Amino acid sequence: SQTIHQWPATLVQPVGSPLSLECTVEGTSNPNLYWYRQAAGRGLQLLFYSVGIGQISSEVPQNLSASRPQDRQFILSSKKLLLSDSGFYLCAWDRGLRDEQYFGPGTRLTVT
Amino acid sequence: EDQVTQSPEALRLQEGESSSLNCSYTVSGLRGLFWYRQDPGKGPEFLFTLYSAGEEKEKERLKATLTKKESFLHITAPKPEDSATYLCAVQEVGGGSNYKLTFGKGTLLTVNP
Repeated sequence: SQTIHQWPATLVQPVGSPLSLECTVEGTSNPNLYWYRQAAGRGLQLLFYSVGIGQISSEVPQNLSASRPQDRQFILSSKKLLLSDSGFYLCAWDRGLRDEQYFGPGTRLTVT
Repeated sequence: EDQVTQSPEALRLQEGESSSLNCSYTVSGLRGLFWYRQDPGKGPEFLFTLYSAGEEKEKERLKATLTKKESFLHITAPKPEDSATYLCAVQEVGGGSNYKLTFGKGTLLTVNP
């Protein structure tokens, strides 16, 4: 069966510090991978998606970036965090179009 | 204008009191509509996918239906463990992001014993 991992589970970072969140998927190959952010009172917002190694599409202009160095690894980064980057970050995967997405446990990021 | 609107924002039921959650959407072409359940502090858990008007899916006390403009999640004789936020998402045909799911803000369901 497939499993998706995210770490860390929680993170408190000061404004201006860098960020690196990691997501890995087990039990499948060549998945589509996604990063979402969920802010209080708002729906899930798609940040990035990837259909293959090194292929990243950005949905929202921001100070975040994503990378996919391996088939089942997806990384969300920032060089300098803003207060507005606080939120619940979710990684997800699917097998293709019309397929349901499966979400990881999430990372709660608080920027102080 | 939001593409996906869920109502009500919050719903409080007594155990055994059946009800429905609504998800209305405005997309030019629907590739699929997805329902998820999310518990506090956790990632969303997949429930159903619906692809065409008239389609229905069932799982335990939950039944999802789809029309050309909206979807309903019917909850029959709910139990306290059904308490969660229920999220609806749509995947649109065409556009620049074929894989994108657009989510509603969710309905917070509380079932009291």
